[in-house]
Amino acid sequence: SQKIEQNSEALNIQEGKTATLTCNYTNYSPAYLQWYRQDPGRGPVFLLLIRENEKEKRKERLKVTFDTTLKQSLFHITASQPADSATYLCALRTGANNLFFGTGTRLTVIP
Amino acid sequence: DGGITQSPKYLFRKEGQNVTLSCEQNLNHDAMYWYRQDPGQGLRLIYYSQIVNDFQKGDIAEGYSVSREKKESFPLTVTSAQKNPTAFYLCASSIGGRRGGNEQFFGPGTRLTVL
Repeated sequence: SQKIEQNSEALNIQEGKTATLTCNYTNYSPAYLQWYRQDPGRGPVFLLLIRENEKEKRKERLKVTFDTTLKQSLFHITASQPADSATYLCALRTGANNLFFGTGTRLTVIP
Repeated sequence: DGGITQSPKYLFRKEGQNVTLSCEQNLNHDAMYWYRQDPGQGLRLIYYSQIVNDFQKGDIAEGYSVSREKKESFPLTVTSAQKNPTAFYLCASSIGGRRGGNEQFFGPGTRLTVL
């Protein structure tokens, strides 16, 4: 069956460190992989998109990697800040237009 | 000011009642989506529409209905047939078609509670 797994429900890290979140998938052939941020009680906000033929994408303190052989994406936040505390969702887009979401990882950055 | 709006933010309903959740966008997007989010689960797709006057069932369409009479609007009706309707409902839109990665823009959500 198709599955998208994000490494853990919750991740706590110290301010200034790099947070690394993992997204693993099975039985999908995604054309794109996207990462979203969701704050409590609000809708997700798009952060980054990476295509199947791209290995890495960066945006300010964010970096995403995509390994279609391992069927895995890593999402890094460098120099993390308390304001980065949120739930982060990965989502796969296949040939159709729909997105399939993971359950999310709740990140807490401790001052 | 472009965006996607949902109303109401909180909604209470008695068992056996139908209720309609509003979703409006002024982003000129062709595609619109409805998701349901429950604690510990990812977003699950209820219905989606790639173009006006057309919509398709998602993974959990039973007990829900939609319409897409205008490009800007995609209301969701939660019917009394939905067995467990208490959840956080999210509407989203995207450019649609095969252009780009089709990142989705989400509304603020409606929290529905069935009493």
